[in-house]
Formats: sequence, C-alpha cells, structure tokens
Amino acid sequence: QQQVKQSPQSLIVQKGGISIINCAYENTAFDYFPWYQQFPGKGPALLIAIRPDVSEKKEGRFTISFNKSAKQFSLHIMDSQPGDSATYFCAASMAGTYKYIFGTGTRLKVLA
Amino acid sequence: DAGVTQSPTHLIKTRGQHVTLRCSPISGHKSVSWYQQVLGQGPQFIFQYYEKEERGRGNFPDRFSARQFPNYSSELNVNALLLGDSALYLCASSLMQGASYEQYFGPGTRLTVT
Repeated sequence: QQQVKQSPQSLIVQKGGISIINCAYENTAFDYFPWYQQFPGKGPALLIAIRPDVSEKKEGRFTISFNKSAKQFSLHIMDSQPGDSATYFCAASMAGTYKYIFGTGTRLKVLA
Repeated sequence: DAGVTQSPTHLIKTRGQHVTLRCSPISGHKSVSWYQQVLGQGPQFIFQYYEKEERGRGNFPDRFSARQFPNYSSELNVNALLLGDSALYLCASSLMQGASYEQYFGPGTRLTVT
C-alpha cells in the first residue's frame, strides 16, 4: 500500500512532441505528489508538485494531471526538447511527513 | 543562494568499514532528510531530522544512523559496510513551514563498497 507504481519504464519522443508519464498509488493518505527530474550523476531536481484538491497544475511546459478517484497522476511535458532527456520520478507523501515514496523512474529520450 | 551541499562527492570503502557522509541544507531550511538511491531505482527514504530530532525512519538496519547539528547540517553514518550499501546517498532539505512539503536534493555522495 506504500508503493507508487510508475510507467513506462522508458520513453522515446520526437522533438516537439508530448511526453506523458503515469503514476498510480494505493494509499489514500497520500496528499502531496511531486515530480522530479534527474540527470546522470546529479541529484533529483523538483519540477512541479500537486495536492489532491486540484485536478491539474501547469508550470511552463510541465503539467500534472491528477485523478483522485482513480488514484492516478501523470506528468505531461509539452513541446519536448532534447534537453529534457533525463530520468523522471514521481513521488508521494502523507500529510505531516517528509517521507517521500518514489516511483521506479522513467528514462525519457527526446530525439532531435 | 547556495543549494544543498554534500561531501564527499565520491568515496570507495571496503566491506566492514565505516563511513560518514555530510550534508549542509539550504540556508534557512531546518529539516534534512537522507535517501539511498541504488542504480536504476528511485530514492529510498532513510531518515528525516528536524531541529536535531529524528522525525522519521525508513526500513533500514541499525547500521545506519544520523544526526543533525545546531547549524542544521547533518551526518549520515553507516557501520559494517556491505556490498549492497553501494549507492548514491542523497540529502534533501526542507523549510518545514506551513503547508510546504517541498524537498530540495543535493548532488549526492556516490559510495562504492568493494
């Protein structure tokens, strides 16, 4: 019940296309859902985060869509660029805690 | 402003040895969390510290310990190293104020156990 399941494991997208990464969770006590971007040899960088009281949040080319009833959330990267090629992790945490449960990661490659 | 800093960047240890990893949070952040990231996997929560007190512990053996100092920096200690402890160790800092649960990660320390 503590798991966060992430898919796909890897993704190849053409430059200018839309990259979509999905995550699902079981624990309804989770109430904070961040997405992180990680380049090889670097620490994860916070991209965008959402709470269950909203269904969508957009920041620049990055959008989180949240479906509370389905217990799913997804990251959409619009106009994908080669510089977006990285590993993306979704995560979840429960109210009042800073213990993030991370997904297994999605390796994104954007072709020039 | 400087981000989260960690030292050392890399280190190589032998099985059975002890290691100490260090972390300095973002200025003004009072909480530090430690995560272990094995190659090809997502980070796994080890500890969270706030105001020098342990606030959370993940499913790791007692060989792992940590502490936080009055300046909010932190150390992660691992005793009796095993080959399986080889990983990237990440430190994350948080403001821990109001409804903000954002965590900002440092570049990590790459530990190799031989």
